[in-house]
Amino acid sequence: LAKTTQPISMDSYEGQEVNITCSHNNIATNDYITWYQQFPSQGPRFIIQGYKTKVTNEVASLFIPADRKSSTLSLPRVSLSDTAVYYCLVGDSNRDDKIIFGKGTRLHILP
Amino acid sequence: DAGVIQSPRHEVTEMGQEVTLRCKPISGHDYLFWYRQTMMRGLELLIYFNNNVPIDDSGMPEDRFSAKMPNASFSTLKIQPSEPRDSAVYFCASSLLGWGSGSGTGELFFGEGSRLTVL
Repeated sequence: LAKTTQPISMDSYEGQEVNITCSHNNIATNDYITWYQQFPSQGPRFIIQGYKTKVTNEVASLFIPADRKSSTLSLPRVSLSDTAVYYCLVGDSNRDDKIIFGKGTRLHILP
Repeated sequence: DAGVIQSPRHEVTEMGQEVTLRCKPISGHDYLFWYRQTMMRGLELLIYFNNNVPIDDSGMPEDRFSAKMPNASFSTLKIQPSEPRDSAVYFCASSLLGWGSGSGTGELFFGEGSRLTVL
């Protein structure tokens, strides 16, 4: 499984754009990059997934450079309710179906 | 669909007692995962099933833990005997496709979790 590295925690303010970067230097050719969000006392929730360039949905954008060795989750105009843990996962091109979560990034939004 | 359903939501038991956690995956999903979450260790994968068959149980901490999936709509995680260090939130999740399917999907849908406290 491609190892990922992301900041342990981040603080931001309401209304700001938040960018969380994840490093995955050993990403394989067929691997996708997926982000999950976990609120306190809830299970993780899928946010967005991408393979290359840029993906956008109603919640976030995902930017992936050409070398795919990193990715950036962008949350536009955050609110207090975006306080959560954000996990970056990279798929296993060996066709292993195990889905392993790292420590994630604890995002704290301040008023 | 009602989503992944777990029961009980909370369980408090005494050391040495048997604990059974239950999960109903989303209908049609071929994959079912059991995770355990603690502050110290984060979210750990315990075991996962594909089409009711256990595929990888390398995350099961020890023989006191067992998991079954007798049919496509039901799975259990059993701890016998329970110990205080088993206290955690246990999550069940299901997915339609596998992570390794190469299609880039494998989106996981989590239940609300079962919070276990062993005294």
